[in-house]
Amino acid sequence: QTVVTQEPSFSVSPGGTVTLTCGLSSGSVSTSYYPSWYQQTPGQAPRTLIYNTNARSSGVPDRFSGSILGNKAALTITGAQADDESDYYCVMLMSSGIWVFGGGTKLTVL
Amino acid sequence: EVQLVESGGGLVQPGGSLRLSCAASGFTFSTYWMTWVRQAPGKGLEWVANIKEDGSVKHYVDSVKGRFTISRDNAKNSLYLQMNSLRAEDTAVYYCARGPHTQATTYWGQGTLVTVS
Repeated sequence: QTVVTQEPSFSVSPGGTVTLTCGLSSGSVSTSYYPSWYQQTPGQAPRTLIYNTNARSSGVPDRFSGSILGNKAALTITGAQADDESDYYCVMLMSSGIWVFGGGTKLTVL
Repeated sequence: EVQLVESGGGLVQPGGSLRLSCAASGFTFSTYWMTWVRQAPGKGLEWVANIKEDGSVKHYVDSVKGRFTISRDNAKNSLYLQMNSLRAEDTAVYYCARGPHTQATTYWGQGTLVTVS
């Protein structure tokens, strides 16, 4: 089964820009994988940020954007704020019809 | 407003069974694929299973195939997950979700905790 890869952790300074990535153990990510991105804080349900590669979910600030960068899906956060400190997960649709989550990235803002 | 409310979680012994339910409201339930996602304590999200709008197609992650069954009742706007032969590694918060989808955002319930011990 294909593994979806994410950086285990990342840090960004307040006001800075960070790009988290979502790759495949084998092959390149394209829009055909329909990557979505979620934000989760401890004890809370996930919040949807991005779907279908770069569509922003309702109410999500435009500081969050999705794209394909090279052979990976990417989530870019500009003007990082303290409350962006969260876990971020990507998920992608496989050809078999199942969706697979990445292991998540713990983002620290400091 | 889209609402998804899970119920049915609890403590069960290894080898036991449990049925989770999800009551949906605020959207036309019968026109969306629905999904169960779980999260073990301190771990990441894991996609478990999904079901097509009319229930005719179902997909499962390998680790639950043959043990879990996803189903839906469109007349009752409800999603279900029948979990049999439960193992300690099935311990997790189980989320009902509308999505992920290729062309629409994902909505999440608040989750229900299943403990196998």
